[in-house]
Amino acid sequence: GQNIDQPTEMTATEGAIVQINCTYQTSGFNGLFWYQQHAGEAPTFLSYNVLDGLEEKGRFSSFLSRSKGYSYLLLKELQMKDSASYLCAVREDNQGGKLIFGQGTELSVKP
Amino acid sequence: GAVVSQHPSRVICKSGTSVKIECRSLDFQATTMFWYRQFPKKSLMLMATSNEGSKATYEQGVEKDKFLINHASLTLSTLTVTSAHPEDSSFYICSASAPTLRETQYFGPGTRLLVL
Repeated sequence: GQNIDQPTEMTATEGAIVQINCTYQTSGFNGLFWYQQHAGEAPTFLSYNVLDGLEEKGRFSSFLSRSKGYSYLLLKELQMKDSASYLCAVREDNQGGKLIFGQGTELSVKP
Repeated sequence: GAVVSQHPSRVICKSGTSVKIECRSLDFQATTMFWYRQFPKKSLMLMATSNEGSKATYEQGVEKDKFLINHASLTLSTLTVTSAHPEDSSFYICSASAPTLRETQYFGPGTRLLVL
């Protein structure tokens, strides 16, 4: 079956670092994506991992371990505007490019 | 790059009418477009996948006669909600992808539909 797990909610302090974990069990794997979604808006693409290791993009980094079915999104120097839902999504290689989304992690950044 | 637009952003209609939502890839040719709906505080639910020039593939439980999808060109897909009812009120979001973009899905801004 298909299953993607991520925490429902997290809270962090402005200026701090937060790590959002995602574990997945899918029948195939052709990449893992992280999206950010602010309330009432559509998701915006943050990162893509298909090979093991860390991908860094400014304040955001994403890590993948395919053998463990595990990824995390790391947000550094948190800002208030980072308060949003963060969606982990897996693309299976035999599904025409469609993504399987986790439920999303609602991150609240406090002053 | 990789900009996707949707129109309209918000629509209110009477029960029984049909509503058409357009999704356009503005700066790339999208071989595949996806349609999602999202309920408040819930994750995205894939409705259908469409490839240019062919029939859309609908997810289980999605009525293809109710949600008509047309992908007439590499930059335009439309979703028509036919005979809309209040339970069809939702946030509808499209995304588009292309091999040149590593098949990453880029999302449109969404359309909020309210059926009275």
